Amino acid sequence: GQQLNQSPQSMFIQEGEDVSMNCTSSSIFNTWLWYKQDPGEGPVLLIALYKAGELTSNGRLTAQFGITRKDSFLNISASIPSDVGIYFCAGYSGAGSYQLTFGKGTKLSVIP
Amino acid sequence: KAGVTQTPRYLIKTRGQQVTLSCSPISGHRSVSWYQQTPGQGLQFLFEYFSETQRNKGNFPGRFSGRQFSNSRSEMNVSTLELGDSALYLCASSFQLAGPETQYFGPGTRLLVL
Repeated sequence: GQQLNQSPQSMFIQEGEDVSMNCTSSSIFNTWLWYKQDPGEGPVLLIALYKAGELTSNGRLTAQFGITRKDSFLNISASIPSDVGIYFCAGYSGAGSYQLTFGKGTKLSVIP
Repeated sequence: KAGVTQTPRYLIKTRGQQVTLSCSPISGHRSVSWYQQTPGQGLQFLFEYFSETQRNKGNFPGRFSGRQFSNSRSEMNVSTLELGDSALYLCASSFQLAGPETQYFGPGTRLLVL
């Protein structure tokens, strides 16, 4: 089925560093979502983006909806140990159901 | 308010068996979606139910089925289990007429097929 290309697959960073990850798709999406998943838990929504070019922040997190509607990126500034986890992008095409297409995730490790 | 609950949390089965997983949505939520999460394929959409009707289905074989009850609780069933069915099965509920960003995920059921 349809997949999003999410990169990088994993990252090791020092506490305090900024992080950037992105997703690209061959298809257009109407909504881009970014989730974080902690071990043993389901994904939790971080940011939702609704229109091309939109830049949205949630605390230290900033995400953008690409102009072409085929990509999105997520930045985390001044990382802290609790940022550790797997981050997923997801696209929604608005086809009448709530089906989401997910990237394969970026595993973030923060070294104190 | 209570979140999405999934039972059981862990399950071990052998090839050829069948399994039923349960999802109780957040109170008032009428839409339930199911996803399969594996290291190789990531999260893949299985199906979505709203008001006891399947609204959408992903690209999975017919061994995967689901249903939703009048109280919005949902079950999914996998028959004739294969090793490749080992995965984390996630369900997400949402309030109808809100966008997909309103989906809340449960903690998942981890299925191991031996």
